[in-house]
Amino acid sequence: EAQVTQNPRYLITVTGKKLTVTCSQNMNHEYMSWYRQDPGLGLRQIYYSMNVEVTDKGDVPEGYKVSRKEKRNFPLILESPSPNQTSLYFCASSNPGQGDYGYTFGSGTRLTVV
Amino acid sequence: AQSVTQLDSQVPVFEEAPVELRCNYSSSVSVYLFWYVQYPNQGLQLLLKYLSGSTLVKGINGFEAEFNKSQTSFHLRKPSVHISDTAEYFCAVSPRGSARQLTFGSGTQLTVLP
Repeated sequence: EAQVTQNPRYLITVTGKKLTVTCSQNMNHEYMSWYRQDPGLGLRQIYYSMNVEVTDKGDVPEGYKVSRKEKRNFPLILESPSPNQTSLYFCASSNPGQGDYGYTFGSGTRLTVV
Repeated sequence: AQSVTQLDSQVPVFEEAPVELRCNYSSSVSVYLFWYVQYPNQGLQLLLKYLSGSTLVKGINGFEAEFNKSQTSFHLRKPSVHISDTAEYFCAVSPRGSARQLTFGSGTQLTVLP
Protein backbone atom coordinates (compact mmCIF):
# COMPACT_ATOMS: atom_id res chain seq x y z
CA GLU A 1 0.00 0.00 0.00
CA ALA A 2 1.30 3.43 -0.99
CA GLN A 3 1.78 5.45 2.14
CA VAL A 4 3.74 7.90 4.25
CA THR A 5 4.65 6.49 7.66
CA GLN A 6 5.47 8.66 10.64
CA ASN A 7 6.70 7.56 14.02
CA PRO A 8 5.85 7.98 16.78
CA ARG A 9 2.14 8.90 16.67
CA TYR A 10 2.29 10.47 20.13
CA LEU A 11 5.25 11.87 22.02
CA ILE A 12 5.56 13.69 25.33
CA THR A 13 8.98 15.10 26.14
CA VAL A 14 10.66 17.65 28.36
CA THR A 15 12.12 20.98 27.36
CA GLY A 16 15.60 20.67 25.91
CA LYS A 17 15.66 16.92 25.32
CA LYS A 18 16.60 16.23 21.71
CA LEU A 19 14.12 14.19 19.69
CA THR A 20 13.63 12.87 16.18
CA VAL A 21 10.36 12.19 14.37
CA THR A 22 10.84 9.75 11.54
CA CYS A 23 9.09 9.85 8.17
CA SER A 24 9.28 7.26 5.41
CA GLN A 25 7.47 6.96 2.06
CA ASN A 26 7.28 3.93 -0.21
CA MET A 27 6.21 5.70 -3.42
CA ASN A 28 9.65 6.80 -4.68
CA HIS A 29 8.49 10.41 -4.42
CA GLU A 30 10.97 13.22 -5.05
CA TYR A 31 9.41 15.89 -2.84
CA MET A 32 8.97 15.55 0.91
CA SER A 33 7.84 18.14 3.37
CA TRP A 34 7.12 18.71 7.05
CA TYR A 35 4.17 20.72 8.32
CA ARG A 36 2.90 21.67 11.74
CA GLN A 37 -0.79 22.14 12.44
CA ASP A 38 -2.02 24.50 15.12
CA PRO A 39 -5.65 25.47 15.87
CA GLY A 40 -6.81 28.41 13.81
CA LEU A 41 -3.58 28.54 11.81
CA GLY A 42 -4.01 25.64 9.44
CA LEU A 43 -0.85 23.88 8.32
CA ARG A 44 2.43 25.72 8.06
CA GLN A 45 5.45 24.35 6.24
CA ILE A 46 8.58 23.78 8.31
CA TYR A 47 11.03 22.36 5.78
CA TYR A 48 10.85 20.70 2.40
CA SER A 49 13.16 18.59 0.28
CA MET A 50 13.20 18.34 -3.51
CA ASN A 51 15.47 15.32 -3.58
CA VAL A 52 18.31 13.57 -1.76
CA GLU A 53 20.63 16.08 -0.06
CA VAL A 54 18.44 19.02 -1.23
CA THR A 55 16.49 20.71 1.55
CA ASP A 56 15.20 24.22 2.15
CA LYS A 57 13.34 26.22 4.77
CA GLY A 58 9.60 26.67 4.75
CA ASP A 59 7.64 29.30 6.63
CA VAL A 60 8.46 28.27 10.22
CA PRO A 61 11.90 26.58 10.29
CA GLU A 62 13.23 28.00 13.58
CA GLY A 63 14.06 25.29 16.10
CA TYR A 64 13.94 22.43 13.58
CA LYS A 65 16.44 20.51 11.48
CA VAL A 66 15.97 17.99 8.69
CA SER A 67 18.10 15.69 6.59
CA ARG A 68 17.51 13.74 3.37
CA LYS A 69 20.20 11.11 3.05
CA GLU A 70 17.92 8.61 1.32
CA LYS A 71 15.03 9.28 -1.01
CA ARG A 72 12.47 7.47 1.14
CA ASN A 73 13.33 9.03 4.53
CA PHE A 74 12.99 12.60 5.79
CA PRO A 75 13.40 12.83 9.59
CA LEU A 76 12.51 15.95 11.58
CA ILE A 77 14.92 16.80 14.38
CA LEU A 78 14.25 19.05 17.35
CA GLU A 79 17.63 19.67 18.95
CA SER A 80 16.28 21.52 22.00
CA PRO A 81 12.48 21.35 22.08
CA SER A 82 10.51 24.13 23.74
CA PRO A 83 6.85 24.29 24.81
CA ASN A 84 5.95 26.45 21.77
CA GLN A 85 6.80 23.46 19.59
CA THR A 86 3.89 21.54 21.07
CA SER A 87 1.86 20.81 17.96
CA LEU A 88 0.57 18.21 15.51
CA TYR A 89 3.19 17.42 12.89
CA PHE A 90 2.63 15.97 9.42
CA CYS A 91 5.05 14.59 6.91
CA ALA A 92 4.00 14.57 3.24
CA SER A 93 5.38 13.56 -0.13
CA SER A 94 4.63 14.21 -3.79
CA ASN A 95 6.03 13.48 -7.22
CA PRO A 96 5.73 16.55 -9.45
CA GLY A 97 8.05 14.99 -12.02
CA GLN A 98 5.22 12.58 -12.76
CA GLY A 99 2.60 15.34 -12.76
CA ASP A 100 1.53 14.57 -9.21
CA TYR A 101 1.36 17.93 -7.45
CA GLY A 102 -0.92 16.81 -4.64
CA TYR A 103 0.79 15.71 -1.45
CA THR A 104 0.21 12.38 0.30
CA PHE A 105 0.19 12.91 4.07
CA GLY A 106 1.19 10.72 6.96
CA SER A 107 -1.13 10.14 9.93
CA GLY A 108 0.56 12.75 12.08
CA THR A 109 2.67 12.96 15.23
CA ARG A 110 1.21 14.74 18.22
CA LEU A 111 4.09 16.26 20.18
CA THR A 112 3.79 17.72 23.66
CA VAL A 113 6.78 19.53 25.19
CA VAL A 114 6.51 20.16 28.93
CA ALA B 1 4.25 34.35 -2.27
CA GLN B 2 0.68 33.18 -1.95
CA SER B 3 -1.98 33.20 0.73
CA VAL B 4 -5.30 31.44 1.25
CA THR B 5 -8.37 32.68 3.09
CA GLN B 6 -11.12 30.34 4.14
CA LEU B 7 -13.96 32.64 4.95
CA ASP B 8 -15.83 30.41 7.40
CA SER B 9 -14.15 28.66 10.31
CA GLN B 10 -17.28 26.65 11.16
CA VAL B 11 -20.15 25.54 8.94
CA PRO B 12 -23.03 23.61 10.50
CA VAL B 13 -25.51 22.07 8.07
CA PHE B 14 -28.32 19.55 8.29
CA GLU B 15 -28.00 16.14 6.68
CA GLU B 16 -29.03 16.00 2.99
CA ALA B 17 -28.76 19.78 2.65
CA PRO B 18 -26.33 21.37 0.15
CA VAL B 19 -23.13 22.98 1.37
CA GLU B 20 -20.54 25.42 0.04
CA LEU B 21 -17.17 25.99 1.71
CA ARG B 22 -15.54 29.18 0.53
CA CYS B 23 -11.89 29.69 -0.39
CA ASN B 24 -10.16 32.75 -1.78
CA TYR B 25 -6.51 32.99 -2.62
CA SER B 26 -3.92 35.61 -3.40
CA SER B 27 -0.86 35.04 -5.55
CA SER B 28 1.49 36.97 -7.81
CA VAL B 29 1.87 33.92 -10.08
CA SER B 30 -0.44 31.32 -11.54
CA VAL B 31 -1.37 28.59 -9.08
CA TYR B 32 -2.55 25.06 -8.63
CA LEU B 33 -5.45 24.67 -6.20
CA PHE B 34 -6.37 21.85 -3.84
CA TRP B 35 -8.94 20.83 -1.28
CA TYR B 36 -7.98 18.42 1.48
CA VAL B 37 -10.18 16.76 4.11
CA GLN B 38 -9.10 15.79 7.62
CA TYR B 39 -11.25 13.38 9.59
CA PRO B 40 -10.79 13.32 13.38
CA ASN B 41 -7.42 11.92 14.47
CA GLN B 42 -6.32 11.31 10.90
CA GLY B 43 -4.00 12.85 8.35
CA LEU B 44 -5.08 14.91 5.38
CA GLN B 45 -6.62 13.28 2.33
CA LEU B 46 -6.71 14.90 -1.09
CA LEU B 47 -10.32 15.65 -2.06
CA LEU B 48 -9.73 17.25 -5.44
CA LYS B 49 -7.29 19.44 -7.35
CA TYR B 50 -7.26 21.99 -10.15
CA LEU B 51 -4.14 22.02 -12.33
CA SER B 52 -5.50 23.17 -15.69
CA GLY B 53 -8.38 22.67 -18.12
CA SER B 54 -12.02 22.68 -17.07
CA THR B 55 -12.66 25.04 -14.20
CA LEU B 56 -15.20 22.66 -12.66
CA VAL B 57 -13.37 19.89 -10.87
CA LYS B 58 -14.97 16.78 -9.46
CA GLY B 59 -13.45 14.95 -6.53
CA ILE B 60 -14.10 12.03 -4.23
CA ASN B 61 -17.19 11.55 -2.06
CA GLY B 62 -19.41 13.64 -4.37
CA PHE B 63 -17.57 16.94 -3.84
CA GLU B 64 -16.80 19.41 -6.58
CA ALA B 65 -15.12 22.80 -6.80
CA GLU B 66 -15.04 25.61 -9.30
CA PHE B 67 -12.00 27.69 -10.11
CA ASN B 68 -12.85 31.33 -10.73
CA LYS B 69 -9.74 33.20 -11.85
CA SER B 70 -11.33 36.66 -11.92
CA GLN B 71 -12.56 36.31 -8.34
CA THR B 72 -9.50 34.30 -7.25
CA SER B 73 -11.79 31.75 -5.65
CA PHE B 74 -12.02 27.97 -5.44
CA HIS B 75 -15.21 27.17 -3.54
CA LEU B 76 -16.05 23.59 -2.58
CA ARG B 77 -19.61 22.31 -2.97
CA LYS B 78 -21.67 19.21 -2.33
CA PRO B 79 -25.35 19.00 -3.26
CA SER B 80 -26.35 16.71 -0.38
CA VAL B 81 -24.19 16.06 2.68
CA HIS B 82 -24.06 13.04 4.95
CA ILE B 83 -23.16 12.68 8.61
CA SER B 84 -19.92 11.05 7.48
CA ASP B 85 -18.85 14.30 5.78
CA THR B 86 -18.26 15.86 9.19
CA ALA B 87 -14.58 16.81 9.09
CA GLU B 88 -12.21 19.74 8.70
CA TYR B 89 -11.61 20.94 5.17
CA PHE B 90 -8.51 22.77 4.00
CA CYS B 91 -8.00 24.78 0.84
CA ALA B 92 -4.41 25.01 -0.44
CA VAL B 93 -2.44 26.57 -3.28
CA SER B 94 0.97 26.06 -4.81
CA PRO B 95 2.78 27.94 -7.58
CA ARG B 96 2.01 26.50 -11.00
CA GLY B 97 4.60 23.93 -11.98
CA SER B 98 5.95 23.56 -8.45
CA ALA B 99 5.15 21.31 -5.51
CA ARG B 100 7.80 23.07 -3.47
CA GLN B 101 5.49 25.10 -1.27
CA LEU B 102 1.90 24.20 -0.59
CA THR B 103 0.20 27.00 1.34
CA PHE B 104 -2.88 26.13 3.38
CA GLY B 105 -5.84 28.10 4.60
CA SER B 106 -6.81 27.97 8.27
CA GLY B 107 -9.49 25.35 7.68
CA THR B 108 -13.29 25.06 7.83
CA GLN B 109 -14.94 22.68 10.26
CA LEU B 110 -17.99 21.16 8.57
CA THR B 111 -20.45 19.66 11.00
CA VAL B 112 -23.39 17.73 9.55
CA LEU B 113 -26.35 17.58 11.91
CA PRO B 114 -28.98 14.82 11.90
